[in-house]
Amino acid sequence: SQQGEEDPQALSIQEGENATMNCSYKTSINNLQWYRQNSGRGLVHLILIRSNEREKHSGRLRVTLDTSKKSSSLLITASRAADTASYFCATPDKLIFGTGTRLQVFP
Amino acid sequence: GAVVSQHPSWVICKSGTSVKIECRSLDFQATTMFWYRQFPKQSLMLMATSNEGSKATYEQGVEKDKFLINHASLTLSTLTVTSAHPEDSSFYICSAHGQTEENIQYFGAGTRLSVL
Repeated sequence: SQQGEEDPQALSIQEGENATMNCSYKTSINNLQWYRQNSGRGLVHLILIRSNEREKHSGRLRVTLDTSKKSSSLLITASRAADTASYFCATPDKLIFGTGTRLQVFP
Repeated sequence: GAVVSQHPSWVICKSGTSVKIECRSLDFQATTMFWYRQFPKQSLMLMATSNEGSKATYEQGVEKDKFLINHASLTLSTLTVTSAHPEDSSFYICSAHGQTEENIQYFGAGTRLSVL
């Protein structure tokens, strides 16, 4: 079974809006990672949040982690058409990825 | 950042033939590499863990005789799909650990395999 599960599975927004994706996981973790995948390409690491962190920022990305709920969220602010991609969360344990959120940003 | 090169990016082959996919870490040594398979609009499914100098560790349900993995050097792992059939058509992606303890993965660009 998947270690990470993202929701929503698909999200469509207009440029300039914020996009929020959620991830739930099943076991204890040392860190949780978010990746992005453009269609037909490999994954690119976006941001990592450690288990002792509650929030982390990187540019337009904001990640939160709630270890008590075993959940994380990724917020992309002021989205751009170029943010259109699939986003995955993953835990380092056996690198099992969730099903991903497909984000479409319309210009 | 660390770079992983995967080749070829796209291959079409006839049913029954074998296809080799290469995964190279360009600017770092990778004792461990990973091979994934991805179906359209699906997540990545870990197929196997490739260990330099030793046998690969396959995930449950993955045929090791079908998907041969060789990790002969610290910078190269290969996946050979033997006697490919149309159901093997998929997107295959490799990755390697970076040099930190946090297990950040650096991915190749993927190989799209189409078996006719």
